Amino acid sequence: DSGVTQTPKHLITATGQRVTLRCSPRSGDLSVYWYQQSLDQGLQFLIQYYNGEERAKGNILERFSAQQFPDLHSELNLSSLELGDSALYFCASSVGTSGSLEQFFGPGTRLTVL
Amino acid sequence: SQQGEEDPQALSIQEGENATMNCSYKTSINNLQWYRQNSGRGLVHLILIRSNEREKHSGRLRVTLDTSKKSSSLLITASRAADTASYFCATDVYNTDKLIFGTGTRLQVFP
Repeated sequence: DSGVTQTPKHLITATGQRVTLRCSPRSGDLSVYWYQQSLDQGLQFLIQYYNGEERAKGNILERFSAQQFPDLHSELNLSSLELGDSALYFCASSVGTSGSLEQFFGPGTRLTVL
Repeated sequence: SQQGEEDPQALSIQEGENATMNCSYKTSINNLQWYRQNSGRGLVHLILIRSNEREKHSGRLRVTLDTSKKSSSLLITASRAADTASYFCATDVYNTDKLIFGTGTRLQVFP
């Protein structure tokens, strides 16, 4: 158990809908990272937050947004969902902001868009 | 696009054999990490090697890094069925906080 929790575990929804994925980092970790893992694109970095502020951005679509709250939990919002958004979404956390830090991954949320 | 590409994409071996996976990357790095992922689950950190290191060991794992060739290898010695998983290299992008993952190697160890 990494100490990172993600809810829900599974999500099935229809095209055009909006969903929110939630992540609670390990106790004491200030950075939260979001990744998307699909069969054709592999593991893609989406966005990073550090202590409530956006820190780095990756291949995140404009239909997607995220935020980190004062209690350090984070939410990833996916809107106008398309079939191609079906994937595993992982949250990870680390103590700080350096790329030399180990990241601790949650169990993931499996999103299926029908 | 992916920063790292791993080779081979898939590898099948018998228990007791050694498994070697290679990772190539494109830009300058401060360090390179290896992670393991059991099917459909979260990634687990295995080892980190810094750009000024050439080799590092952790238990049955041996990692090498050649910054001149922009490549790294992960060797798992005396493999076990429980080592069956996907293995990813990850590099920090120089002067950023990003960690970019490679395409992964799927390792199958048969008892």
